[in-house]
Amino acid sequence: EDQVTQSPEALRLQEGESSSLNCSYTVSGLRGLFWYRQDPGKGPEFLFTLYSAGEEKEKERLKATLTKKESFLHITAPKPEDSATYLCAVQARDDKIIFGKGTRLHILP
Amino acid sequence: GAVVSQHPSRVICKSGTSVKIECRSLDFQATTMFWYRQFPKKSLMLMATSNEGSKATYEQGVEKDKFLINHASLTLSTLTVTSAHPEDSSFYICSAGIVTTDTQYFGPGTRLTVL
Repeated sequence: EDQVTQSPEALRLQEGESSSLNCSYTVSGLRGLFWYRQDPGKGPEFLFTLYSAGEEKEKERLKATLTKKESFLHITAPKPEDSATYLCAVQARDDKIIFGKGTRLHILP
Repeated sequence: GAVVSQHPSRVICKSGTSVKIECRSLDFQATTMFWYRQFPKKSLMLMATSNEGSKATYEQGVEKDKFLINHASLTLSTLTVTSAHPEDSSFYICSAGIVTTDTQYFGPGTRLTVL
């Protein structure tokens, strides 16, 4: 069964305290893995797409990596404005998209 | 856990016809449902937000007369693509939210192909 699991469910960090969010997946034929940021009451904001193991992408304080079983979203020296829910989604060979439940990140000033 | 379904999963239609896509929350009541369109390989674009019993709120640039959204009950929202054209071909995804938790649950998506 295709599945996406994100951990932790919630994470509180002090400003400047780097950490990583995890997205583990099992899917038949990975077409792409997506990371989104979502603020309350708004739609997800696209961050990255990763296609193959070993791929890495960076944007400001965020860096996404991909292996055959999981993806990590590394956040370096976060700021309070990085507080949001971070969603991971996987698109399978049959086009279906499976979303994780997200990680609620809270950065304390 | 909360489950959201979409029907159909795939639809092919001729240009000029209308297509209805259903989004159902199977085991919870969704006060808010969101409709998205996914562009190839990346971004998920929010099209509209619908609250049960009220009119949908459309994002800028989304034609509300073309993409009709109805949220008649706490478990069902529908998106109707009227007079579909090939450029409407896309992957449409819905999500359902429970306002007290700020959590959204996503459907598996519907692939629309307009010939």
